[in-house]
Amino acid sequence: AQRVTQPEKLLSVFKGAPVELKCNYSYSGSPELFWYVQYSRQRLQLLLRHISRESIKGFTADLNKGETSFHLKKPFAQEEDSAMYYCALSGMRNAGNMLTFGGGTRLMVKP
Amino acid sequence: KAGVTQTPRYLIKTRGQQVTLSCSPISGHRSVSWYQQTPGQGLQFLFEYFSETQRNKGNFPGRFSGRQFSNSRSEMNVSTLELGDSALYLCASSAKQGNYGYTFGSGTRLTVV
Repeated sequence: AQRVTQPEKLLSVFKGAPVELKCNYSYSGSPELFWYVQYSRQRLQLLLRHISRESIKGFTADLNKGETSFHLKKPFAQEEDSAMYYCALSGMRNAGNMLTFGGGTRLMVKP
Repeated sequence: KAGVTQTPRYLIKTRGQQVTLSCSPISGHRSVSWYQQTPGQGLQFLFEYFSETQRNKGNFPGRFSGRQFSNSRSEMNVSTLELGDSALYLCASSAKQGNYGYTFGSGTRLTVV
């Protein structure tokens, strides 16, 4: 079974402070991991994926297979980063593919 | 290019009725997935379709069904609606089947009264 855990439902930081959104996963195979973001009144959108090893809007995430984690980090939070963040794992099951989402973390960046 | 389009945006139905939701993927995308989003259960996988074939199904009762057409458009149907089916139903498409990032639609908000 595949499972994604985001231990914090709410994370509140001040503007300019570092941010780390935690994500832990459980999967027997080789996982593909993603971070999705949902800004207020907007659709769920892909922020980044681990295979790309990219930095989007200043966010990065490193896959740590030993700790089965994929934490999202940003060195200096901005107010526009306030949103709901979902960690997701993509894995094969049966003949198809599916995304398993964590419960989400609401990030609030205070001025 | 146009994103993933879901219709209708909002729907109110009565218990016991059935409902059909529609999803048009991004042009050229052949994989379509459906998810249910609720405050209590979060985002849960419903089905995945690729080239008109259901490849995967989540842990939902048989009242939930879907299909994909030759143009990759997809529909999902919920029969004998229950109050607990009230949720935001999201459709996502991907160019290929596999571990690629999906593009999501805005969703259909279904309210069952």
